[in-house]
Amino acid sequence: DIVMTQTPLSLSVTPGQPASISCKSSQSLLHSDGKTYLYWYLQKPGQSPQLLIYEVSSRFSGVPDRFSGSGSGTDFTLKISRVEAEDVGVYYCMQGIHLWTFGQGTKVEIK
Amino acid sequence: QVTLRESGPALVKPTQTLTLTCTFSGFSLSTSGMCVSWIRQPPGKALEWLALIDWDDDKYYSTSLKTRLTISKDTSKNQVVLTMTNMDPVDTATYYCARIPRGEQRYFDYWGQGTLVTVSS
Repeated sequence: DIVMTQTPLSLSVTPGQPASISCKSSQSLLHSDGKTYLYWYLQKPGQSPQLLIYEVSSRFSGVPDRFSGSGSGTDFTLKISRVEAEDVGVYYCMQGIHLWTFGQGTKVEIK
Repeated sequence: QVTLRESGPALVKPTQTLTLTCTFSGFSLSTSGMCVSWIRQPPGKALEWLALIDWDDDKYYSTSLKTRLTISKDTSKNQVVLTMTNMDPVDTATYYCARIPRGEQRYFDYWGQGTLVTVSS
């Protein structure tokens, strides 16, 4: 099974400052079809997860452009250019190339 | 408008079988490429993918839980059912159902609100 490892596991950020989360997979997520099956979700307190980024860097419908994704192969990063209060919650990366696996989650709070 | 809603018992005893139902609207599981999945989350812990069924009735299961899981669908009722046998306290979690909108996409775009299942005698 593919293991997804996120760092850090928690992050305290001042509003308006940037934040970055790393996600590493135990196997390459690049498929022979040319797509890389890496996704980012945000689970706000008391809510179901919501999709932010699909295929490494494409923002899902309605996601603010302060969220961006990058990376390739086994190393990926989610960046928030300027953190806002509404961005608090737990961020998960997920792979979808071989079944589905989530990372452990990164809890983001506001200072 | 796409919605999914999970239903089932809030409390089950150890060794019992859990049956959960996902009732959805706004899409059809007979549409080519459509899939519905189950994902769970123990209290304060990470998400764990469990099972998926697609429009063609193909089924996929978590490697670690496959011997205990069965997923099925009733297209006419817009429902997907998950059964998990031999429940244990470590299976206490919020269970979510979620949709994959097209076969070439492998992300879950809509999720239910989740249903908390507690395993205790």
